Amino acid sequence: TQLLEQSPQFLSIQEGENLTVYCNSSSVFSSLQWYRQEPGEGPVLLVTVVTGGEVKKLKRLTFQFGDARKDSSLHITAAQPGDTGLYLCAGEVNRDDKIIFGKGTRLHILP
Amino acid sequence: NAGVMQNPRHLVRRRGQEARLRCSPMKGHSHVYWYRQLPEEGLKFMVYLQKENIIDESGMPKERFSAEFPKEGPSILRIQQVVRGDSAAYFCASSPLLNTDTQYFGPGTRLTVL
Repeated sequence: TQLLEQSPQFLSIQEGENLTVYCNSSSVFSSLQWYRQEPGEGPVLLVTVVTGGEVKKLKRLTFQFGDARKDSSLHITAAQPGDTGLYLCAGEVNRDDKIIFGKGTRLHILP
Repeated sequence: NAGVMQNPRHLVRRRGQEARLRCSPMKGHSHVYWYRQLPEEGLKFMVYLQKENIIDESGMPKERFSAEFPKEGPSILRIQQVVRGDSAAYFCASSPLLNTDTQYFGPGTRLTVL
């Protein structure tokens, strides 16, 4: 069974601080996605990474795919209250396979 | 360019009734996925469909649950004889043919079984 473990489960920090959340697995993924979900809404795709070691930036968010394509991290610089939400990582082991989701990191940014 | 649409957004059923959840994929998308999410949990894969074909239903309970994606019209997730444990948010996602790892989600249907 392929599992994606996300840590921490919950994170509450002050506005302006930096943070990193992690997504780890013992499986190798052909691609990995990060989503953000707000209460009462569906997940919104933030990024897809496909190459080991790949780094992608989206404004204050930096996503990294591990060299072995088994793990990923999301770093947020100068967090803002608008970053509050559930961050989900999801991975595809083989092309066109079903996507597996982690349980998410629930992030709360205090103003 | 409309996104993935799901209806109803909220559905209340009594135990034993049937629930029908609808999903219209994004224009041009040929793949539909259904997921279930319990409070404080991630998304659990249920079924993956292309037009008129079920590709992978490994996450769907063998009894009471069925899904279809007809040639015309939305994808339907059908739950017969609902029980309280079926209460959850059900999300549909769609992806284009050549990029199945990029899924776009609908707003979900929140099913409450009384």
